[in-house]
Amino acid sequence: EAGVTQFPSHSVIEKGQTVTLRCDPISGHDNLYWYRRVMGKEIKFLLHFVKESKQDESGMPNNRFLAERTGGTYSTLKVQPAELEDSGVYFCASSRKGNYGYTFGSGTRLTVV
Amino acid sequence: GENVEQHPSTLSVQEGDSAVIKCTYSDSASNYFPWYKQELGKGPQLIIDIRSNVGEKKDQRIAVTLNKTAKHFSLHITETQPEDSAVYFCAASTPPDNAGKSTFGDGTTLTVKP
Repeated sequence: EAGVTQFPSHSVIEKGQTVTLRCDPISGHDNLYWYRRVMGKEIKFLLHFVKESKQDESGMPNNRFLAERTGGTYSTLKVQPAELEDSGVYFCASSRKGNYGYTFGSGTRLTVV
Repeated sequence: GENVEQHPSTLSVQEGDSAVIKCTYSDSASNYFPWYKQELGKGPQLIIDIRSNVGEKKDQRIAVTLNKTAKHFSLHITETQPEDSAVYFCAASTPPDNAGKSTFGDGTTLTVKP
């Protein structure tokens, strides 16, 4: 089966601009997660979708971040306006309902200058 | 909330030696403990996992142990090879029917010298 696909792989934007990251999970995976790794620290939870519904968005840093999952398929994470501290690697992961463990995408490296 | 601490942050071993990475967690509700390996330019890949009703699990050269009472778990890699060089993350997770959310450690950069 195809893996989790994320794009772009890299994005460099100026402070104040908008960036949209996209994640295509494995087909049939109801669970979709967004995580972020900043400055080489831990991979930190952002939010969790079950199909198109937000199950848990407790990790979203602030209201500059907006995540959507259209029709329970792909998901987008928009940062508007971007700040310097938003730089990091954003990972998407998916899993089947009831399954332990995730399949991660390769991540999007976001650099805000 | 859950807090996971991982040690060491860097580990360098000679090829053929063993490597051990240790993690502690705080939330007794966590019942699933996966380990992920991240190679350069790739996303984390699940390499082994253990559930809280099991004390030890082995898969070829890698093994994981869990001490639920002490809330710590460890990854053991034996007969290390250069291709084992990567960043390893431990995580503590709630059950999938309760969001399946994972809390990760900071990662351990393992270098295996030929």
